[in-house]
Amino acid sequence: GQQVMQIPQYQHVQEGEDFTTYCNSSTTLSNIQWYKQRPGGHPVFLIQLVKSGEVKKQKRLTFQFGEAKKNSSLHITATQTTDVGTYFCAGNAGNNRKLIWGLGTSLAVNP
Amino acid sequence: SQTIHQWPATLVQPVGSPLSLECTVEGTSNPNLYWYRQAAGRGLQLLFYSVGIGQISSEVPQNLSASRPQDRQFILSSKKLLLSDSGFYLCAWALYNEQFFGPGTRLTVL
Repeated sequence: GQQVMQIPQYQHVQEGEDFTTYCNSSTTLSNIQWYKQRPGGHPVFLIQLVKSGEVKKQKRLTFQFGEAKKNSSLHITATQTTDVGTYFCAGNAGNNRKLIWGLGTSLAVNP
Repeated sequence: SQTIHQWPATLVQPVGSPLSLECTVEGTSNPNLYWYRQAAGRGLQLLFYSVGIGQISSEVPQNLSASRPQDRQFILSSKKLLLSDSGFYLCAWALYNEQFFGPGTRLTVL
């Protein structure tokens, strides 16, 4: 079946260090979305990328969608303790309304 | 603006008891609705989704069921809970692609 692999599963950084999580799909995606789930909370939508090679920025967060629309990355510059949480990527394949979810990358930040 | 409600926030139920979790959405019409389950420290497992009243698609065979009696109401039910039904149950709505989640219900089956 269609799968989205996400690496790493866990990442522990010192505050101020950069962080990147990668997402790879077994199938071409029509879009890629990123969500953040704080400990004890629910996933919150961050951003959606639709175009091949698209790059979007939100303050210290940079999101990329690969040329083949099968991979994506989220990069956080100079992490802060408020960045702690699990970051999920998810995408739609074709016109399917179901999202294919990665298993998430849990980020811990040492102050 | 749109809001999504889920209740209860936490629930402890004995094995074999019934379950009913309710999700309601405000501020939008004809949304797609989803039920997910998340085991501790794990990813999201899609259980059911609905594109309209009375239209339910089941993703994983299990002892759970879902119903959508009204446009903005989505209910997750079980007649007899199993230990393995414990988890964090999340309801989400979407008009297009991005999904917006409710606060979730933490269910512990003892």
